[in-house]
Amino acid sequence: GQSLEQPSEVTAVEGAIVQINCTYQTSGFYGLSWYQQHDGGAPTFLSYNALDGLEETGRFSSFLSRSDSYGYLLLQELQMKDSASYFCAVTISGGYNKLIFGAGTRLAVHP
Amino acid sequence: DAGITQSPRYKITETGRQVTLMCHQTWSHSYMFWYRQDLGHGLRLIYYSAAADITDKGEVPDGYVVSRSKTENFPLTLESATRSQTSVYFCASSEALPTAGQLNEKLFFGSGTQLSVL
Repeated sequence: GQSLEQPSEVTAVEGAIVQINCTYQTSGFYGLSWYQQHDGGAPTFLSYNALDGLEETGRFSSFLSRSDSYGYLLLQELQMKDSASYFCAVTISGGYNKLIFGAGTRLAVHP
Repeated sequence: DAGITQSPRYKITETGRQVTLMCHQTWSHSYMFWYRQDLGHGLRLIYYSAAADITDKGEVPDGYVVSRSKTENFPLTLESATRSQTSVYFCASSEALPTAGQLNEKLFFGSGTQLSVL
């Protein structure tokens, strides 16, 4: 089977930097994605890593280490609007490829 | 407007009843997915489809049925609803999923259906 582990909650202050970690155990791994979901809303795509290293998109960066089965999402210059849940997800093979999500990390940003 | 739409937005039903949740996308995406979201479990994959007439089970398929006769529609049916199926259901679509290498894959989600089974 597959499993993804990420912290359930993270708290930070406005302007700070926060890192949300994700470890996974899966076979047929293709890549790691990150999604953001505000309360009452739908998940929206943030980033995708198929190769080792850091991908930067504005204030958000995502990192992947395939050898360690580990990745993280880095959020810089935190804003109140970043308060949301963040999900890591793995693309795995097997028949037809599919996307499996972790349980999510709830980020609370305080003034 | 183009996009992915789910209906109904809210649904209340009773145990034992059959319920169908609708999902429609206008992008002609090949892949479509159904997830359920419950506190503490994140998003769990129920069923997915790689193309019309091609469907496969996800992590929690029991009690659900899907069909995909047309590329744009992917309805989810609860054959005999149970209280444990009370959840928020999200439909999603994707142009493709990579087989290898770096491809910018992304899922587009509908607004969700909040289902309560009494």
